[in-house]
Amino acid sequence: GAVVSQHPSRVICKSGTSVKIECRSLDFQATTMFWYRQFPKQSLMLMATSNEGSKATYEQGVEKDKFLINHASLTLSTLTVTSAHPEDSSFYICSASQNLAKNIQYFGAGTRLSVL
Amino acid sequence: DQQVKQNSPSLSVQEGRISILNCDYTNSMFDYFLWYKKYPAEGPTFLISISSIKDKNEDGRFTVFLNKSAKHLSLHIVPSQPGDSAVYFCAASVRDAGNMLTFGGGTRLMVKP
Repeated sequence: GAVVSQHPSRVICKSGTSVKIECRSLDFQATTMFWYRQFPKQSLMLMATSNEGSKATYEQGVEKDKFLINHASLTLSTLTVTSAHPEDSSFYICSASQNLAKNIQYFGAGTRLSVL
Repeated sequence: DQQVKQNSPSLSVQEGRISILNCDYTNSMFDYFLWYKKYPAEGPTFLISISSIKDKNEDGRFTVFLNKSAKHLSLHIVPSQPGDSAVYFCAASVRDAGNMLTFGGGTRLMVKP
């Protein structure tokens, strides 16, 4: 149980285009989903927390107009990187948690974004 | 200010021996701790957790120890297997605070056959 699917696993795009990444909880309802970014050889950096039906809470330094998050249902959250630039190239990972679980977050497989 | 630290970036262990991964934290409000395992280009996989009301939790080959007074936790893997080679992250949270996790920097474990 507690499977989180993230799609796509890899995307290559041109500078200036927008990229949408989907995160789905497959076998549970996720009231809260999280979006992380990981730079090479570094830890996971929390970008934002989203609760179903409400606006995402962004961490300090993360541009909310750059990284649009939508959490329209209890099983789906999306992250859209708008007008992507090469410096946005990174590994993006989502996670989801159930209310009743003991603060356990279940992670997707991640998305490798390369902006040319 | 890093609230969760893993001071060893890497650890090499012989197959069959014990692997001990360490983690220190500074925030005394943390009351729930987790260990995740991560392979390259994949998302972290939950391994084991411990509540601050316990000092030990065991699940198969994995045991997590918590020393609250020292603000220190460790993950023991015994016996270590080559398939355990991965990056291990410890994470801490304050329950009832939105399920947010604070991650350490990770320790790369290499188990040699």
